[in-house]
Amino acid sequence: DTAVSQTPKYLVTQMGNDKSIKCEQNLGHDTMYWYKQDSKKFLKIMFSYNNKELIINETVPNRFSPKSPDKAHLNLHINSLELGDSAVYFCASSQWDRLGEQYFGPGTRLTVT
Amino acid sequence: KQEVTQIPAALSVPEGENLVLNCSFTDSAIYNLQWFRQDPGKGLTSLLLIQSSQREQTSGRLNASLDKSSGRSTLYIAASQPGDSATYLCAVRPRDNAGNMLTFGGGTRLMVKP
Repeated sequence: DTAVSQTPKYLVTQMGNDKSIKCEQNLGHDTMYWYKQDSKKFLKIMFSYNNKELIINETVPNRFSPKSPDKAHLNLHINSLELGDSAVYFCASSQWDRLGEQYFGPGTRLTVT
Repeated sequence: KQEVTQIPAALSVPEGENLVLNCSFTDSAIYNLQWFRQDPGKGLTSLLLIQSSQREQTSGRLNASLDKSSGRSTLYIAASQPGDSATYLCAVRPRDNAGNMLTFGGGTRLMVKP
């Protein structure tokens, strides 16, 4: 009955590799997001995506790209991983309606060695 | 650019105490403000959502208030319990944000001692 789920929960990889994190929501929402929580626990938005448009936070390197096979899924692809990419990545979803509450997944802890 | 600040960064109280967590934001042009709870190593759980037209929201022992003109919100926790120990985050949805993206504060780490 998990509303927003992510896989894997933990991901350890080496610099230079390419990796993906998957996200699925079963809430029927039309908008999904990716957030990054750094070592200081500060959460920052990376992407907002619905079936109409992708909004990218200008600070996100183009090595990061979201891919949505359908409305219920938004996967995060990361190319050429760097040490600074180590963080916890959270997926979230909501209705596009500006009053919509956002629901978060459990997070994926990425460690780049 | 919207900035969200939470004070204090950490708080330790004895069980049973009533407490207030503070959140301030620099731009009052927001659609709503959301309070979250994050347990160590876990995701975020939404606690309360206050629309810009509202003054407060209540859920059980939690009460959140919003003063948009002054850029402030407070989360009041009544009769605190050890199970309330967690990090509490506030986030605002700016009006000028096309992507409905939230801007988060740095959080308040709460410890309630038995």
